[in-house]
Amino acid sequence: NAGVTQTPKFQVLKTGQSMTLQCAQDMNHNSMYWYRQDPGMGLRLIYYSASEGTTDKGEVPNGYNVSRLNKREFSLRLESAAPSQTSVYFCASSLLGTSVGHNEQFFGPGTRLTVL
Amino acid sequence: LAKTTQPISMDSYEGQEVNITCSHNNIATNDYITWYQQFPSQGPRFIIQGYKTKVTNEVASLFIPADRKSSTLSLPRVSLSDTAVYYCLVGAAYSGNTPLVFGKGTRLSVIA
Repeated sequence: NAGVTQTPKFQVLKTGQSMTLQCAQDMNHNSMYWYRQDPGMGLRLIYYSASEGTTDKGEVPNGYNVSRLNKREFSLRLESAAPSQTSVYFCASSLLGTSVGHNEQFFGPGTRLTVL
Repeated sequence: LAKTTQPISMDSYEGQEVNITCSHNNIATNDYITWYQQFPSQGPRFIIQGYKTKVTNEVASLFIPADRKSSTLSLPRVSLSDTAVYYCLVGAAYSGNTPLVFGKGTRLSVIA
């Protein structure tokens, strides 16, 4: 099993450009998440999807949109990139809802995004 | 969600036992305590989870006192490869799928 995969690994955008970050998991997990991590900071939740067909805002949703395409895939879109969105983006998944008993989240390798 | 407080950074020599304490004074009855580890340039990974008393696995031990207002992650005989950021998270056993919150974590540096 590949676990959680993310594409691309690196991306450089100019201000105002748009792009979609892709995430897929092959563990048959119900919940998926998008986080951003700025240098020296912890992870901040952007959006999450507790189950297929649902999405909810996290701590820092402004400037982003998400799509839970199916149970496996959860994409994050930047419609008009800004320098403040320069960050490392992590996708994660968990079997059940985030806080149901054993709620281990499995993380992807991250996408390093730079917006000039 | 219960707010957590943990030290920003810690240093340790190889071979020593490291204890990282997390304070969570407003922990709720249904909350579990979960610790994650993050190596540089990688996503976090789950280390251990507990509700009360002591939990031990092949990686670490988690000590939770009776009042549950704090918890201590114990890493036995650390090596250079344990250099990482450690996050303490507190959340309900079931809270309508409300995600747990990662803080800034504790940056552990292991010195040879």
